[in-house]
Amino acid sequence: GQNIDQPTEMTATEGAIVQINCTYQTSGFNGLFWYQQHAGEAPTFLSYNVLDGLEEKGRFSSFLSRSKGYSYLLLKELQMKDSASYLCAVLDSNYQLIWGAGTKLIIKP
Amino acid sequence: DADVTQTPRNRITKTGKRIMLECSQTKGHDRMYWYRQDPGLGLRLIYYSFDVKDINKGEISDGYSVSRQAQAKFSLSLESAIPNQTALYFCATSDRAGDYNEQFFGPGTRLTVL
Repeated sequence: GQNIDQPTEMTATEGAIVQINCTYQTSGFNGLFWYQQHAGEAPTFLSYNVLDGLEEKGRFSSFLSRSKGYSYLLLKELQMKDSASYLCAVLDSNYQLIWGAGTKLIIKP
Repeated sequence: DADVTQTPRNRITKTGKRIMLECSQTKGHDRMYWYRQDPGLGLRLIYYSFDVKDINKGEISDGYSVSRQAQAKFSLSLESAIPNQTALYFCATSDRAGDYNEQFFGPGTRLTVL
């Protein structure tokens, strides 16, 4: 079966750095997405990785290792508005998105 | 104006009632999707459509049906609603596979079945 694992919840301090991990086992791989979802709102796109390595976009970076079935999202200089759920999703061999359950990130002052 | 809209935004209904959730998009995308989201679970795909004449079942299609009336419109129906269909429902669109396939989501419909 297809499976994506993320921690359920993480807590971090404003101004700090946090890393959210995602491991996956899917039928094929055509890329990995990270989305942000504030409570009660729609998911919004953060990043896409299809090749191994680090993609940096402002305060957010995403890393992929296809051989290990592993990705992480790195958030720097945390702000209170970063409190949200972060969803990892893999595009499988049929180009369907398989979603993780999401990691709820709580930012404390 | 939002690119992907959903109506209604909230709905409370009773067991056995027929319900239709509507989705419209102005992004010009060919692909449209219906998901449900439950606490502690990931987004689960109900149905998807790659163009007006193409409808496909997703992971959890039982108890649901869809209609793709036009490129811009994709409706989800619950023929006879039951309480375990209480969830947050999202419509999404994307351009085409083989590319980015980034999905753009509507604001969601919160459905409660009593």
